[in-house]
Amino acid sequence: AQKVTQAQTEISVVEKEDVTLDCVYETRDTTYYLFWYKQPPSGELVFLIRRNSFDEQNEISGRYSWNFQKSTSSFNFTITASQVVDSAVYFCALSEGHGQGAQKLVFGQGTRLTINP
Amino acid sequence: DTAVSQTPKYLVTQMGNDKSIKCEQNLGHDTMYWYKQDSKKFLKIMFSYNNKELIINETVPNRFSPKSPDKAHLNLHINSLELGDSAVYFCASSQGQNTDTQYFGPGTRLTVL
Repeated sequence: AQKVTQAQTEISVVEKEDVTLDCVYETRDTTYYLFWYKQPPSGELVFLIRRNSFDEQNEISGRYSWNFQKSTSSFNFTITASQVVDSAVYFCALSEGHGQGAQKLVFGQGTRLTINP
Repeated sequence: DTAVSQTPKYLVTQMGNDKSIKCEQNLGHDTMYWYKQDSKKFLKIMFSYNNKELIINETVPNRFSPKSPDKAHLNLHINSLELGDSAVYFCASSQGQNTDTQYFGPGTRLTVL
């Protein structure tokens, strides 16, 4: 069965620090997709990134960067120069293709990130 | 324009009642989903429909019945509500390939008293 582990339940840093959120996954599939979502205090789930299992290139988007390492089954997320607005719960997820146009997202437990001014 | 919308945003009701949550997407997607987020923030899929056809049906009590009148709408009806049904329910949609990104609605916080 597929599984996603976010071992860090809560992280608290001071503004402008860099912070890395860890994500480790388990799957038997050779083709799969990994995702990160952000859930700010307002409660909605905001899509951040999708990465397929064949693309191990790191991705950078502004202050956000993602490191995908297939050898260690990890897909870590780094925020550089953190800001108070980055405070949220962050979820890592693994897709389980179901066929017929649907997929199950298997979510990690989430990491609550607090950025203190 | 809201891409995936849900109504109501908050729902407070008594045990034993029946209630519905509605979801609509204007993204032109073929697949829609319901997820449940419990009090510990854990997210788990409940159902998925593709073009009005039920595709995924997780181990969910049969008091929960999804209905998709068309591919832009997926409603969730819950009978005989129990305390344990209190949660945030999220609707999501994706284009229709099983590799696509899912986009989520704002969530409906259901509280059963």
